[in-house]
Amino acid sequence: KQEVTQIPAALSVPEGENLVLNCSFTDSAIYNLQWFRQDPGKGLTSLLLIQSSQREQTSGRLNASLDKSSGRSTLYIAASQPGDSATYLCAVSCGEFGRIQGAQKLVFGQGTRLTINP
Amino acid sequence: KAGVTQTPRYLIKTRGQQVTLSCSPISGHRSVSWYQQTPGQGLQFLFEYFSETQRNKGNFPGRFSGRQFSNSRSEMNVSTLELGDSALYLCASSVWDRSRRVGYTFGSGTRLTVV
Repeated sequence: KQEVTQIPAALSVPEGENLVLNCSFTDSAIYNLQWFRQDPGKGLTSLLLIQSSQREQTSGRLNASLDKSSGRSTLYIAASQPGDSATYLCAVSCGEFGRIQGAQKLVFGQGTRLTINP
Repeated sequence: KAGVTQTPRYLIKTRGQQVTLSCSPISGHRSVSWYQQTPGQGLQFLFEYFSETQRNKGNFPGRFSGRQFSNSRSEMNVSTLELGDSALYLCASSVWDRSRRVGYTFGSGTRLTVV
C-alpha cells in the first residue's frame, strides 16, 4: 500500500528565505508526482508535475525534484514571499489494479503548512 | 478555458438525508476523480470515472456512489448521511497525452456539513 509522508508538518520562516519541503513515498511504482498548493478552505492548485521518467521540473521560483528509486521528492521555493503562505501537498499517481491505463489514483501526503512572515 | 466547476459550494444536511454533488470537468477532459478531505484523514480517493465507466474505487462504504454522463460531467451521491461525512469534497479532471496522464486539475470543492 502506497504511503506518502511530508516533513515538516509546519514551517514558519521570514520573508526572503529559500526553503525546502520534503515528500517521501513507500512504493517507487508511480506514474508521476504532483505538488499542489491549498489555501484555507479552498481547492487545490497544481504547482508542478513530474513524470516518473523525469528528475525535476521548474516553474518561476519553484523547483521540484524526484528521486524515484529512493522514494523522495523535494519542493524548493526561492525568495519566499508572504503570498506563498499556504499548505503544500505532495501526491503520487499510482495504479491500484496493476498498471491498467486509467485505473489510477492520487495518494496524498498530509501536507506542510507554510507561513512566511513579513 | 474554464476550470473544473463544482456545485454547490456549500451544503448543510441533516443526518440520514442524502446529497448529490456535481462536477463539470475542463472541456475535453474525460476523466473525473473524486476525493474527500477531512482534518483527520486528509485527502482520500473516492472513485474515478472515464468515459462514463467507473475505473477505480477507493475504500469507502457503498453509501458513496457516483456516475458520469456522456458530456463528462459527474455527480457523486452520498446516502444516509452520517456526521463523519462532513468534509470538503473535491473533484479533479485529467486528460491523457499519448500514454501519460497530464496531471490533475482540481475544482474549488463542495463543503458538506452534516448536522
